[in-house]
Amino acid sequence: DQQVKQNSPSLSVQEGRISILNCDYTNSMFDYFLWYKKYPAEGPTFLISISSIKDKNEDGRFTVFLNKSAKHLSLHIVPSQPGDSAVYFCAASFSGANNLFFGTGTRLTVIP
Amino acid sequence: DVKVTQSSRYLVKRTGEKVFLECVQDMDHENMFWYRQDPGLGLRLIYFSYDVKMKEKGDIPEGYSVSREKKERFSLILESASTNQTSMYLCASRQQSNNYGYTFGSGTRLTVV
Repeated sequence: DQQVKQNSPSLSVQEGRISILNCDYTNSMFDYFLWYKKYPAEGPTFLISISSIKDKNEDGRFTVFLNKSAKHLSLHIVPSQPGDSAVYFCAASFSGANNLFFGTGTRLTVIP
Repeated sequence: DVKVTQSSRYLVKRTGEKVFLECVQDMDHENMFWYRQDPGLGLRLIYFSYDVKMKEKGDIPEGYSVSREKKERFSLILESASTNQTSMYLCASRQQSNNYGYTFGSGTRLTVV
């Protein structure tokens, strides 16, 4: 059973606009959430994370928002750049868990 | 800079062959993981190891085994490769004390023909 879900397999945005990638989870024990970015033929790289005690974390052009009541998080990229074109994976975990739980990924295409 | 190295970027193997995928990390991490990535299915955990000679099944262990004889090396073994094991295989590691962040290798694209 998929505990972390990314319901949009793909997203296209114009360069300079905002990209919003969404992620939903079902396990209320999750207390830490991460976003990974993956280019073709490369391994995922860590992008940004958020603890469940926060509702927002910002790092440059990237901001992650967490809505615990809705079990929803989103990644905002502003402004979007062509180099942001990649597959983005949402992941979640909880203290004591053996591993991260990943979503199915969203392919972002930023159109120049 | 910390590194997780997967020995092959691309592999082509025949059905029925025994296949070894190797992963080495230089960060002295206790935990190591093998995932496969398939379109529409995301990253699925095959096996993980929390210490030398220790292993645990993940979500999709069937058809695979693992070996961890040394802390830095975690091998994934396809006992008899089948075409449905054609996939991108990703190795990752993390410190035991860090419940959250993984460092991934670059991946091995395996094609079974």
